[in-house]
Amino acid sequence: GENVEQHPSTLSVQEGDSAVIKCTYSDSASNYFPWYKQELGKGPQLIIDIRSNVGEKKDQRIAVTLNKTAKHFSLHITETQPEDSAVYFCAASKGSNYQLIWGAGTKLIIKP
Amino acid sequence: DSGVTQTPKHLITATGQRVTLRCSPRSGDLSVYWYQQSLDQGLQFLIQYYNGEERAKGNILERFSAQQFPDLHSELNLSSLELGDSALYFCASSLGTSGANEQFFGPGTRLTVL
Repeated sequence: GENVEQHPSTLSVQEGDSAVIKCTYSDSASNYFPWYKQELGKGPQLIIDIRSNVGEKKDQRIAVTLNKTAKHFSLHITETQPEDSAVYFCAASKGSNYQLIWGAGTKLIIKP
Repeated sequence: DSGVTQTPKHLITATGQRVTLRCSPRSGDLSVYWYQQSLDQGLQFLIQYYNGEERAKGNILERFSAQQFPDLHSELNLSSLELGDSALYFCASSLGTSGANEQFFGPGTRLTVL
C-alpha cells in the first residue's frame, strides 16, 4: 500500500529565514497532496494542497512543489514568523474511494 | 472554528473502564473520521464512516468500536482501557468519501487513563 515518509521530524529555523519540509510517497498513482498545520492544543487544519497536474502552488508565504518523477513533494515557508511554529503533516491520496495516507509530522520551531 | 464539535474535552478514567467520545460533524458533511494522536506521535487513522456506514478501517484495536447515527453524529467507544490508550482523539469530517476531500478537524478529546 501507499507509504508517505516525512523529513525532518523536527526543524528549527531563525525567524525570517525559510523552512522546507519534504515528503516522499511510494504509490505513483497518488494524485492529491495536502499539507495540514497543527497548532498547539488544536486539531490539524489544511493550509495548502496540490494535485498531480500542477508542479507548484503558492499562497502568500507558503508554497508546495511536486516532483512526480521522483515521487516527492515539499512545503516551503518563506519569511518565517513566530506563528508558523506548529506541527506540519503531509499526506497523499489516489483520490476518489482511496484514503488519505499521512506522514509522521514535522515540528517546526521558529527561533526569535 | 472548523465547525466540528467533540465532547468531552477532557476525560480521566481508570484502567479497565469504558468511555464514549462524541463527535458532531460540520453541517453538510457526510464522512466522519477518527484519529488517535499519542504524545509526540503522528496521526493514527482509526476508522471512517460515511452516511452511517463503515467506510474504511485503519489501525483500530478490537477493544475500540465506533458508529455513526442517522443524524450523522458519531461515537467512538473505547473499552477495557489500558494506560497506553492515553492520547488525544480527534474527529474530522468531510463532504464525501474521497481522500481528496478536505478534512475538518475538531478540537479533540484528551483521554487520560490512570
